[in-house]
Amino acid sequence: GAGVSQSPSNKVTEKGKDVELRCDPISGHTALYWYRQSLGQGLEFLIYFQGNSAPDKSGLPSDRFSAERTGGSVSTLTIQRTQQEDSAVYLCASSPAGWGTEAFFGQGTRLTVV
Amino acid sequence: AQSVAQPEDQVNVAEGNPLTVKCTYSVSGNPYLFWYVQYPNRGLQFLLKYITGDNLVKGSYGFEAEFNKSQTSFHLKKPSALVSDSALYFCAVTPGAAGNKLTFGGGTRVLVKP
Repeated sequence: GAGVSQSPSNKVTEKGKDVELRCDPISGHTALYWYRQSLGQGLEFLIYFQGNSAPDKSGLPSDRFSAERTGGSVSTLTIQRTQQEDSAVYLCASSPAGWGTEAFFGQGTRLTVV
Repeated sequence: AQSVAQPEDQVNVAEGNPLTVKCTYSVSGNPYLFWYVQYPNRGLQFLLKYITGDNLVKGSYGFEAEFNKSQTSFHLKKPSALVSDSALYFCAVTPGAAGNKLTFGGGTRVLVKP
């Protein structure tokens, strides 16, 4: 596609349920990022995939959070046993190979845990 | 570890006046620096970047930023602000040739008043 696509755009889930958020990066982009943004605040880094290298998972807030990237393309962020504090906008971004290339962001998934 | 600081949560400026949004960074080696903007209910958009060369870089919508290595700063500027510049601005850094992990500052909300 022309840009980074995230689905769903909105997700309301009950506390304790698992959710999966999907990101389709721009074709050919080797780097993929997940961030979390609460209430129009700053961006909290979650995880970063770069090509075939092991992902940088240093930002995942707990073991309830996991992400994978299949075939170097689509990525899924999974949150198990959701809590109300997980409510936020989850942003995905991708960037091409090469240093200093800018990242392109999707519109985000707004997750609400009730 | 790399980090970015945006010391002002909000900047208020009158339309037509100069706008400055401050950013300082901490990273090993030579950084690559970025500015992004987020308009209300929209995704993040890339504004400009510094990779190497001239310390003054120009970007979209009349914005520019000056890289100052000695002060580890990358302040965003616009000579004459518009009401439509009201948005949330984010500074970000990657560790140059050491990798592409993109770390963001906490964001600065800009309010341009008519």
